[in-house]
Order: sequence, then C-alpha cells, then structure tokens
Amino acid sequence: DIVMTQSPDSLAVSLGDRATIDCKSSQSILYKYNNNRNYLAWYQQKPGQSPKLLIYWASTRASGVSDRFSGSGSGTDFTLTISGLQAEDAAVYYCHQYYRSPPTFGQGTKVEIK
Amino acid sequence: QVQLQEAGPGLVKPSETLSLTCIVSGGSTANYYWSWIRQSPEKALEWIGYISGGGITKYNPSLGSRVAISLDTSVNRISLRVRSVTATDTAVYFCARQQGDDYNFYYMDVWGKGTTVIVSS
Repeated sequence: DIVMTQSPDSLAVSLGDRATIDCKSSQSILYKYNNNRNYLAWYQQKPGQSPKLLIYWASTRASGVSDRFSGSGSGTDFTLTISGLQAEDAAVYYCHQYYRSPPTFGQGTKVEIK
Repeated sequence: QVQLQEAGPGLVKPSETLSLTCIVSGGSTANYYWSWIRQSPEKALEWIGYISGGGITKYNPSLGSRVAISLDTSVNRISLRVRSVTATDTAVYFCARQQGDDYNFYYMDVWGKGTTVIVSS
C-alpha cells in the first residue's frame, strides 16, 4: 500500500495567518500518461461531520471551496495552504492518494486557532 | 444535489455480520463508483471497497474475504456486509461517491454523514 504521512500532527495558528500542512507519499503518485496529474486529494473534517472534499488533482479546488485553500506539490511531496485563517477553518485535514488501490489516507492534521 | 444517508444497527456482537445500507438521493448511481470508508475511534480513515454503477466491485485486501458490497439500482441503495466482526471493526462507517472513468477511480466528492458501529457483546 502507498503510505501517506502528514506533518505536523497538529498546529495552532492565529486568525488571519497562514496554515501549512505537508503530505508525503511513500511512492510517486504522479501519472505521466494522464496529463501529468498527481492523484492526490485533500479533505476537511469538522467534529461530528463527514470529510469534505477541498482539493483534487493536488491543486484543483472543489466546487464552492474558498480560494483561501490551495494545494501544491508533485510526485511525492504535497502541501495544503490555508491563507487568512478564519475561525471556521478549525478542523482536521486529511490527504488522500487515489493513484493505486487500495486508496489510502494520511493520519490527519488538526488545525486549531491560537 | 446528491445526498447519501447511511443506516445500520449501531451495535453488533463479535463473530456476527455487520450490515449497513446507503441510500442515494438526488441523483443516479450510474456512471460513478460508490465506496465505503470507515473511521476508527482514533480517527484513522480506511477505504473498505467500492462498487461501480455497473456492478463491478473491488475491496481492500486488509479486510480479506469478509466484505461484500452490493448495489440495487432500482432503489438507489448500496449495501455493505462485513462478516465475522471483531472489536477492531468498531468505527464510523461512511458511504461516498467516488469519481472515476471506465478504468480508474479517483477522489470522493460526496460523503454521507456516517453511521456508528460498535462491536461488543
């Protein structure tokens, strides 16, 4: 299985500041034969709720997602950036690879408001 | 818009079979993959398996042959069965729509609210 490792496990950020979450895959999830796409998604999960899709193909925002959320990276190293952190961004964030079956998830990163 | 709603017994005894359903409303089950994912009490997410709109299934080898997913297109219902459950099967179970094409599955773009299953005698 492809192992997804996120860092840090948690971080506290002040309102209005930037939060950065890293995700590393145990092998490349870049598929050169499909428009050079990275098979990576990011999800946000708030307490008591299901995960919500934020980003797919590593950098494409899902419909209705604020442009404060951005994804970057390629190959094995990826980053989710939340700019201008707002109170409603407090949540756990997961990365997810769908390059190879079984699809796997990172362990999650908890973002708290400082 | 498409909505998913899981339902199940809540409490299952060890060695018995866990059975859950997921009703899809606001859309068709055709042309998509439909996955089950579970989240342990420690919050780890684990993909269980999927069924395509055409009835093709694929499962996570970690669950071996204990798992079966089925689809009833007449009532837009996806079902999950997990045999011989143990305490490690205690989790919140989600169904999700997974984007894909004829050959590949991609990200999960719509999730149900989830249903909690506790395995205990």
